[in-house]
Amino acid sequence: AQTVTQSQPEMSVQEAETVTLSCTYDTSENNYYLFWYKQPPSRQMILVIRQEAYKQQNATENRFSVNFQKAAKSFSLKISDSQLGDTAMYFCAFSNSGGGADGLTFGKGTHLIIQP
Amino acid sequence: DVKVTQSSRYLVKRTGEKVFLECVQDMDHENMFWYRQDPGLGLRLIYFSYDVKMKEKGDIPEGYSVSREKKERFSLILESASTNQTSMYLCASRQRDRIYEQYFGPGTRLTVT
Repeated sequence: AQTVTQSQPEMSVQEAETVTLSCTYDTSENNYYLFWYKQPPSRQMILVIRQEAYKQQNATENRFSVNFQKAAKSFSLKISDSQLGDTAMYFCAFSNSGGGADGLTFGKGTHLIIQP
Repeated sequence: DVKVTQSSRYLVKRTGEKVFLECVQDMDHENMFWYRQDPGLGLRLIYFSYDVKMKEKGDIPEGYSVSREKKERFSLILESASTNQTSMYLCASRQRDRIYEQYFGPGTRLTVT
């Protein structure tokens, strides 16, 4: 079974700063997907960024980028030029890529607060 | 635009009641999922379904059952609600072969008193 660990329950930074959320995982699979999801207060879960394990290049989506270290089983999310709207719960998640019907395995989440 | 809808945003039920949480998706997705979200525990998979009338247990199925009579609808059933089932319930769906693209509903916050 896979496990996903987010060691930072809460983080707080000033607007415009850069913040990094950490995530580690454990799996015996060689190919898989990793995700960062954002859940704003009282709002829907949305996908921020995803990474396929066999791709060495780190994924980037505008201000969001990941540092994927496969050997270390680490998948951190960097948010540059943070904005008030980035305040949310952030979840790291794992999925096998074997084509099965399985759901995602989530970490416990990091509550990110962007201060004005 | 993919849409996953859940029948209620907020629900209050009494201990022992039978509770139905409904989820509907409009993109002909084969796979559907029910998760439970609790503070400090993240999201945990309760049940999932990969086809009509098919269901598989997730990590925490105890106290729950599911029904999938139509492809677009996946119901979570609490046969006899208990206070420890007070939680946020999230439904999700995806196409069978698009593992990397799971869509979530808005969630139902269930309180059992």
